[in-house]
Amino acid sequence: GDSVTQMEGPVTLSEEAFLTINCTYTATGYPSLFWYVQYPGEGLQLLLKATKADDKGSNKGFEATYRKETTSFHLEKGSVQVSDSAVYFCALSSYGQNFVFGPGTRLSVLP
Amino acid sequence: DAGITQSPRHKVTETGTPVTLRCHQTENHRYMYWYRQDPGHGLRLIHYSYGVKDTDKGEVSDGYSVSRSKTEDFLLTLESATSSQTSVYFCAISGKGLAGELLGTGELFFGEGSRLTVL
Repeated sequence: GDSVTQMEGPVTLSEEAFLTINCTYTATGYPSLFWYVQYPGEGLQLLLKATKADDKGSNKGFEATYRKETTSFHLEKGSVQVSDSAVYFCALSSYGQNFVFGPGTRLSVLP
Repeated sequence: DAGITQSPRHKVTETGTPVTLRCHQTENHRYMYWYRQDPGHGLRLIHYSYGVKDTDKGEVSDGYSVSRSKTEDFLLTLESATSSQTSVYFCAISGKGLAGELLGTGELFFGEGSRLTVL
C-alpha cells in the first residue's frame, strides 16, 4: 500500500538557519502531496501542497517540489524563525480521499 | 476555519468504561475521518465515513466503532476503553462535497483534537 517516510528528528536549529526536512513516498498512480504543520496543543493545518509532478508548493516562506523521479517532496525554508517551532507531517492522498501520513518531524528553533 | 468541532476536548476515564467522542462539521463535507496520534506513529486512521450511514475501517479499527446518522456528525465509540487507547484523537473532513465535488483544494481539514486518558 501507499506509504510516506520522513526524517523523525527532533531537528534543532538556530534562528535564521536553513531548514530541510526530507520526505519520500511510495504510491501507485499519481498522488497529491502535502505538508501539514501542528503547533503545540493544536490540530494539523495545511502548510502547502502539490498535485502533480514538478509542481512547487509554497507558503509562509516554506517550499516543496513534487519530484516524481525520486518520489520525494522535501520541505525547505531559507531562514527559520522561533515561531516555526512545530511538528511537520508529510502526507499523500490518492483519489482525494485516502490520506497517508508520515510519522512527523519535530522542529525546535532556538533564538 | 473549516467549521469542525470535537467534544470533549479532554477526558479521563477508567479501563472498561465506554467512551464516545463527537465530531461536528458545518461544511457539508461528504468524507469524515477519525485518526489517533501517538508518539512515533504519526497519524493512524481508525475509521472513516463516505456518507450518512456509510463507514469503513482504517488501519487501527480494533476496539473502535463509529456511527454517522447525519451529515454533520461523526461519532467514535470505544465500547470498553483500554489503556492502549490513551491517545489524542483527531477528526478530519476532506475537501469534497456531498456530490463528490471538490471543495477548496482537496486537502484534509482537522479539528483541534480530543485528548483521552484511560487509567
